Amino acid sequence: DAGVTQSPTHLIKTRGQQVTLRCSPKSGHDTVSWYQQALGQGPQFIFQYYEEEERQRGNFPDRFSGHQFPNYSSELNVNALLLGDSALYLCASSSDGAYEQYFGPGTRLTVT
Amino acid sequence: RKEVEQDPGPFNVPEGATVAFNCTYSNSASQSFFWYRQDCRKEPKLLMSVYSSGNEDGRFTAQLNRASQYISLLIRDSKLSDSATYLCVSNDYKLSFGAGTTVTVRA
Repeated sequence: DAGVTQSPTHLIKTRGQQVTLRCSPKSGHDTVSWYQQALGQGPQFIFQYYEEEERQRGNFPDRFSGHQFPNYSSELNVNALLLGDSALYLCASSSDGAYEQYFGPGTRLTVT
Repeated sequence: RKEVEQDPGPFNVPEGATVAFNCTYSNSASQSFFWYRQDCRKEPKLLMSVYSSGNEDGRFTAQLNRASQYISLLIRDSKLSDSATYLCVSNDYKLSFGAGTTVTVRA
């Protein structure tokens, strides 16, 4: 039973570029949440997708957008990258109605 | 004010010792709470869920005090493998994480 998977593992981008990160949820899960974790901080909620729609959103600018596909996998897109976007991006999946979320290994993004 | 606040530590304890630490949360409407464990440069892993007054799982005990809005985690008989950062999480419509408490267990 595969857990949550994310790709790529690491990514280096330049300021102003755009990036797309991918996540496949744990088998049986239909809800995907994205988090940003800066060094020394706890994960910060970006948004959550359920039934291919953004259901909830945290305090992140519109440069952060996402998508969920019919197979429940999800993408996180970040436009006009800033140096401050450098972080570990975590995807977590859950079953709708369940509180527990399970995390993937993350994508480490470095913006230079 | 941050939604979840934790003592960052570090807590440096010998093997076999008991270590306990708290976190406080600001949203009195939060219904459920979690402790996640995070090893260096790895993803958080769910350690324990706390829905009512507390929960116990082996050497780990979590307690919830709704009146004072804090959650505690106690680790008994510490092992070297317990060395990690422990993240306190409250759940209202989203998971709100604290910055983590670092625990180091020494031989």
